[in-house]
Amino acid sequence: EVQLVESGGNLVQPGGSLRLSCAASGFTFSSYEMNWVRQAPGKGLEWISYISGSGTVVDYADSVKGRFTISRDNAKNSLSLQMNSLRAEDTALYYCAREMAEWPNAFDIWGQGTMVTVSS
Amino acid sequence: DIQMTQSPSSLSASVGDRVTITCRASQSISRYLNWFQQKPGKAPKLLIYAASGLQSGVPSRFSGSGSGTDFTLTISSLQPDDFATYYCQQSYSPTGRTFGGGTKVEIK
Repeated sequence: EVQLVESGGNLVQPGGSLRLSCAASGFTFSSYEMNWVRQAPGKGLEWISYISGSGTVVDYADSVKGRFTISRDNAKNSLSLQMNSLRAEDTALYYCAREMAEWPNAFDIWGQGTMVTVSS
Repeated sequence: DIQMTQSPSSLSASVGDRVTITCRASQSISRYLNWFQQKPGKAPKLLIYAASGLQSGVPSRFSGSGSGTDFTLTISSLQPDDFATYYCQQSYSPTGRTFGGGTKVEIK
């Protein structure tokens, strides 16, 4: 079964750090581009980061650029998001999502999400 | 950055109704437009890709159309399982896959 499972969400103080993980199974992980998408409580979806299959190309939304770092370990079928200098507005449910291998690169597989709460 | 605007933000409809949701891009995105359905407490689910492609397993009452800047998601006959929030997303940018603000479909 094709599956993504996120972990690492927690309650953290403003200015703190957290590392999220996404474990992939059921497909050739290295062949797929991956993304992180978040959803603040009661709000819509916000794309925040992208990584190519090889890990050599990354990109970020302006809201997290310079604070978050996306990475992947293809040998371990794992995607990560290192989050530093966390702010209250980073409070959200964080999803990892796989892109289709071909055009138009829609997000066809999603994890169940992991909750990050930034509060003192 | 490409901005995506959905309308309406919410709507009330009855079972059996035909429902139409629109999505407009701030610049031409060809057919790089995808639609998702999200139910409370669940991850988004891909319904339509490339403006009109039906994702495997999605009922045929869902359809998409459009190209360039204007797109439409249509549910031909609303079913009880369809009450949810719907999001459009552009995948035209090599990165930066922005979403629309969402349309909540509620029971009338």
